[in-house]
Amino acid sequence: TQLLEQSPQFLSIQEGENLTVYCNSSSVFSSLQWYRQEPGEGPVLLVTVVTGGEVKKLKRLTFQFGDARKDSSLHITAAQPGDTGLYLCAGRYGQNFVFGPGTRLSVLP
Amino acid sequence: NAGVTQTPKFQVLKTGQSMTLQCAQDMNHNSMYWYRQDPGMGLRLIYYSASEGTTDKGEVPNGYNVSRLNKREFSLRLESAAPSQTSVYFCGTFSAPYEQYFGPGTRLTVT
Repeated sequence: TQLLEQSPQFLSIQEGENLTVYCNSSSVFSSLQWYRQEPGEGPVLLVTVVTGGEVKKLKRLTFQFGDARKDSSLHITAAQPGDTGLYLCAGRYGQNFVFGPGTRLSVLP
Repeated sequence: NAGVTQTPKFQVLKTGQSMTLQCAQDMNHNSMYWYRQDPGMGLRLIYYSASEGTTDKGEVPNGYNVSRLNKREFSLRLESAAPSQTSVYFCGTFSAPYEQYFGPGTRLTVT
């Protein structure tokens, strides 16, 4: 059974601070995705990483896929209140996806 | 272009009652999924359908049945609801190679 762990579970920071959240597994995934979910809504895809060691940037967000394709990190620079939400990682195996439990981020103004 | 739609948005059932959650997509995607989301556990796959006419069990299929009515619609049925099925249910679609889209969810409470 593929399992994904995310840390920290909760994170509360002030506007302008930097932060990193992590997604770890003992399994190898063909690709890994990061989503943001806001209350009362479905997850929205932020990025997909495919190649071991890959780094992708999306404005203030930087995503990295581990060399062994078992782990990933999301770094946010100068966090803003609009970044508040639940961040989920999901690893793909075969036709399906397994999701981590999420990191709940709160950015205070 | 509505993307993925789900009905109803909220539902309260008594133990033993049945209901069907509806999902429809207008993106012409072959693959569709049903997940449940519980606090602290992320999304768990209930059933998926790789294409019209096919369905397969996911991680937590017990107590559920599905129907892939056509390419657009994928329904989830609870035959005899139990309190353990209280959850938020999400329908999703997948477009190769990497895009996965979700509906807004159905919040179900079983008393």
